[in-house]
Amino acid sequence: KQEVTQIPAALSVPEGENLVLNCSFTDSAIYNLQWFRQDPGKGLTSLLLIQSSQREQTSGRLNASLDKSSGRSTLYIAASQPGDSATYLCALKRNQGGKLIFGQGTELSVKP
Amino acid sequence: DAGVIQSPRHEVTEMGQEVTLRCKPISGHDYLFWYRQTMMRGLELLIYFNNNVPIDDSGMPEDRFSAKMPNASFSTLKIQPSEPRDSAVYFCASSLAGGYYEQYFGPGTRLTVT
Repeated sequence: KQEVTQIPAALSVPEGENLVLNCSFTDSAIYNLQWFRQDPGKGLTSLLLIQSSQREQTSGRLNASLDKSSGRSTLYIAASQPGDSATYLCALKRNQGGKLIFGQGTELSVKP
Repeated sequence: DAGVIQSPRHEVTEMGQEVTLRCKPISGHDYLFWYRQTMMRGLELLIYFNNNVPIDDSGMPEDRFSAKMPNASFSTLKIQPSEPRDSAVYFCASSLAGGYYEQYFGPGTRLTVT
């Protein structure tokens, strides 16, 4: 059974720091992996999508990497800002079907 | 595009009552998903549709839950009768071509069953 784990569950950093969020999965046979952001009381906002054939994707200050052999994806946030404070979730698909399997998320707090 | 639209945003009901949650996917998207989020279990897929046809309903917790998609622009998730353990945030999401493209989520419906 595919399991997705995100550690740590919560992270607090000072503004301006570069940081890495981790996502690990137990089965390397994945179709793609998606990173989301969720603000309190809100829905999920898609940040980056990495196909299984890709190693990384970049959008602005965000960079997501994928290493299927080690069962790991990371989300790198450069020069963090208080507005980056949110819960970050990773989710993967095992096949072309639509089902996303989610991690429990990392709650990020960026202090001014 | 307005994104995925869900209604109501909040629903408070008494145990035993019927609850209907509504979703309008992004125009042109042919996949629609219903998820439930709780503190204990996180985000879980309940059911998803492709071209209005249910494909995988293995996540639907029990017969009290049912979902329909009568056309490409509307879906409902119904709980009858509702129970306190159904209290959660229910999200609808849509995407193009199921697996390859991103899923876009609605703002969710926060359901409280007393």
